[in-house]
Amino acid sequence: SAVISQKPSRDICQRGTSLTIQCQVDSQVTMMFWYRQQPGQSLTLIATANQGSEATYESGFVIDKFPISRPNLTFSTLTVSNMSPEDSSIYLCSAPRQGNTGELFFGEGSRLTVL
Amino acid sequence: ELKVEQNPLFLSMQEGKNYTIYCNYSTTSDRLYWYRQDPGKSLESLFVLLSNGAVKQEGRLMASLDTKARLSTLHITAAVHDLSATYFCAPRYAGNEKLTFGTGTRLTIIP
Repeated sequence: SAVISQKPSRDICQRGTSLTIQCQVDSQVTMMFWYRQQPGQSLTLIATANQGSEATYESGFVIDKFPISRPNLTFSTLTVSNMSPEDSSIYLCSAPRQGNTGELFFGEGSRLTVL
Repeated sequence: ELKVEQNPLFLSMQEGKNYTIYCNYSTTSDRLYWYRQDPGKSLESLFVLLSNGAVKQEGRLMASLDTKARLSTLHITAAVHDLSATYFCAPRYAGNEKLTFGTGTRLTIIP
């Protein structure tokens, strides 16, 4: 079955710094999705990353804070900019599984702690 | 605003018992997914429900979908400790590839 690799798997960051998370899919996908999961909470969609166009951000998320790149059909990055402790979360990359069910499969997540 | 509510949020149940988790959503959906998340882990896909009336079963878990009532259920039969996890439902809204996740149900099976 398809695999998504994310890195880093975890990191501890200082307030005010930025961190880029990488997501690699082992097959070509049109769309990739970035989710945030705050401690003890559900998943919230940050943005949809489309190859060849600007990412589409959900309400409450802006490009300046979460810039996204999508240089090809298997790779995407999410940057968390100017971090504060409120950004401490798990960030998850996902993509549709092959076939037409619309099912998403997920990477292992990147657990960020901001001090 | 799209809302997906799960009930209950927390569930502690004894081994061997049966229980049902409910997922209500606010807007018309054409399909729905159930996921499992173990502590510190990512999400694992459990069920894909593609149409009204769909029912899927895997081991002690059975999921169903009623699109007219905007309701999905996840039924647990004769619970065992290995089922302890957080379960999420995620409806997909027609014409949209993204999923909106429910509030989650943290299930704990006690001996």
